[in-house]
Amino acid sequence: EVQLVESGGGLVQPGGSLRLSCAVSGFTVSGSYMNWVRQAPGKGLEWLSVIYRGGSIYYADSVKGRFAISGDNSKNTLYLQMSSLRAEDTAVYYCARRNYYGSGTYGIDVWGQGTTVTVSS
Amino acid sequence: AIQMTQSPSSLSASVGDRVTITCRASQDIRNDLGWYQQNPGKAPKLLIYATSRLQSGVPSRFSGSGSGTEFTLTISSLQPEDFAAYYCLQDHNYPLTFGGGTKVG
Repeated sequence: EVQLVESGGGLVQPGGSLRLSCAVSGFTVSGSYMNWVRQAPGKGLEWLSVIYRGGSIYYADSVKGRFAISGDNSKNTLYLQMSSLRAEDTAVYYCARRNYYGSGTYGIDVWGQGTTVTVSS
Repeated sequence: AIQMTQSPSSLSASVGDRVTITCRASQDIRNDLGWYQQNPGKAPKLLIYATSRLQSGVPSRFSGSGSGTEFTLTISSLQPEDFAAYYCLQDHNYPLTFGGGTKVG
């Protein structure tokens, strides 16, 4: 069964760090475009980062230099290392697979259930 | 980064209504656009990719159209389970960017 299960969320103080995990089953992290997307309370969706082909990585400007995406092929798990956290990073964080359908077409077709990060003193 | 402007931000509709949501890109994204549905407290769900291709299992009352900078999601006959938030997402280049969302209520 294709499934994504996030963990690692919680309460952290401003300036602190946290690492989110996303356990992948039914396909491989190494063979996929794996993304992180977040949603602040009452707000819309915000794409954060992608890793694919084992090492190609992109970030949204809002998290560049503070967040780091990585994957562990042996554990088939995606990570998001978050540092220098701010109140505005408070959100539900989703990991998600961007699927390639062929002919240059893509869609984010598999999503985890989300993990909540709260940045507050 | 490509900006996605989605409208309206909310709309009121009834079961059986035809609903149209629009997304405008700040530059040409060809047909690299998807639409997502999100219910409260749930993860988003892919409805349409590549502007007009229906994701497997999605009812045919959902359709998408457009190209370049102007895109539309249409629900031909709104059903009770369709009352939700909808988002467009450009995947033409990184960083990927979502529209601001439309709440259908």
